[in-house]
Amino acid sequence: DTGVSQDPRHKITKRGQNVTFRCDPISEHNRLYWYRQTLGQGPEFLTYFQNEAQLEKSRLLSDRFSAERPKGSFSTLEIQRTEQGDSAMYLCASGRQPEAFFGQGTRLTVV
Amino acid sequence: LAKTTQPISMDSYEGQEVNITCSHNNIATNDYITWYQQFPSQGPRFIIQGYKTKVTNEVASLFIPADRKSSTLSLPRVSLSDTAVYYCLVGETDQFYFGTGTSLTVIP
Repeated sequence: DTGVSQDPRHKITKRGQNVTFRCDPISEHNRLYWYRQTLGQGPEFLTYFQNEAQLEKSRLLSDRFSAERPKGSFSTLEIQRTEQGDSAMYLCASGRQPEAFFGQGTRLTVV
Repeated sequence: LAKTTQPISMDSYEGQEVNITCSHNNIATNDYITWYQQFPSQGPRFIIQGYKTKVTNEVASLFIPADRKSSTLSLPRVSLSDTAVYYCLVGETDQFYFGTGTSLTVIP
């Protein structure tokens, strides 16, 4: 499978715990995006990388959220001190104009 | 970023042509119009992109009038498997900002 891969697919965590998600993009894509999606809403942009450089961050990305893309390959999204409002689907996409190819997402449930 | 407005939901019978219109009155000169499809529990999937006039691929057609303030996604002869949410995005080619989309239900 040469698509965008996300791990884990599902994560249940207790409020206050830290979680980290991983995204492996399509290998030749230098752009990588993170989105968050809640039920009934469209995906909300969080942040975007060009290679290893984080070029844009949404105001939705509070201080508790951090994303990295070391060496311009895979990316991680960490959420510290999770809150119930963080429960959502976290989607990763990698891009080659004019398309962004999305992974199947990581569904986070904070209890 | 140009704001987009789409119908919240649409129903269509199987085999019919479906047209979903997106309004984007504040579209900028450099903005492209891109449509994505999303099935439940999956990430969005690219359908089509255009800048002006008409674009057609094996899945859909995209009609853009001269003023570019709206666009229409046309799905020919829909089937049950086309039931999904369709998003209209407006922006430069490296920007992907989604609205709430149009939930299309295809009825047998």
